[in-house]
Amino acid sequence: GQNIDQPTEMTATEGAIVQINCTYQTSGFNGLFWYQQHAGEAPTFLSYNVLDGLEEKGRFSSFLSRSKGYSYLLLKELQMKDSASYLCAVMDSNYQLIWGAGTKLIIKP
Amino acid sequence: ETGVTQTPRHLVMGMTNKKSLKCEQHLGHNAMYWYKQSAKKPLELMFVYNFKEQTENNSVPSRFSPECPNSSHLFLHLHTLQPEDSALYLCASSQGREGGTGELFFGEGSRLTVL
Repeated sequence: GQNIDQPTEMTATEGAIVQINCTYQTSGFNGLFWYQQHAGEAPTFLSYNVLDGLEEKGRFSSFLSRSKGYSYLLLKELQMKDSASYLCAVMDSNYQLIWGAGTKLIIKP
Repeated sequence: ETGVTQTPRHLVMGMTNKKSLKCEQHLGHNAMYWYKQSAKKPLELMFVYNFKEQTENNSVPSRFSPECPNSSHLFLHLHTLQPEDSALYLCASSQGREGGTGELFFGEGSRLTVL
């Protein structure tokens, strides 16, 4: 079966750095996505990785290793507004999106 | 209005009621989706429409009935629901079928409670 694993919840301190991991087993691979979802709001697109390596976008970076079936989202200089759920999703060989259950990130002052 | 808008934002209904959820996208996208989001579970794809044609129906019970009159509007008709159907229902759109970059644009969801 197809599976995406990510931690259920993480806690970090304002100003610090946090890494949210995502591992996957899917039928083929056509890209990995990270979305951010604040409580009561719509998920919003953060990043897309299809090749191995690190993609940097401001305070957020996303890393992919296809051989290891592994990705992480790195958030630097954490702000209180970064408190949200972070959803990892993989597009399989049929271009179907397989979703993880999300990681709830709690930022403390 | 821009983006994807959903109405109502909150809905409480009894098991014998009939109600509908509405979604409208102002992005000129060709594909629209219904997802179910339950606490601590992955998003569940329910239906996909491409150019108004239904291309996915992921074994969704018939008490959920989608309608896509044009590429900008999507409805989810609800009847004789069960308490376990209580969840957040998210509408999304994209430029094409879940291909290309696959970036989805989501609405803020309709929070459904079935009593």
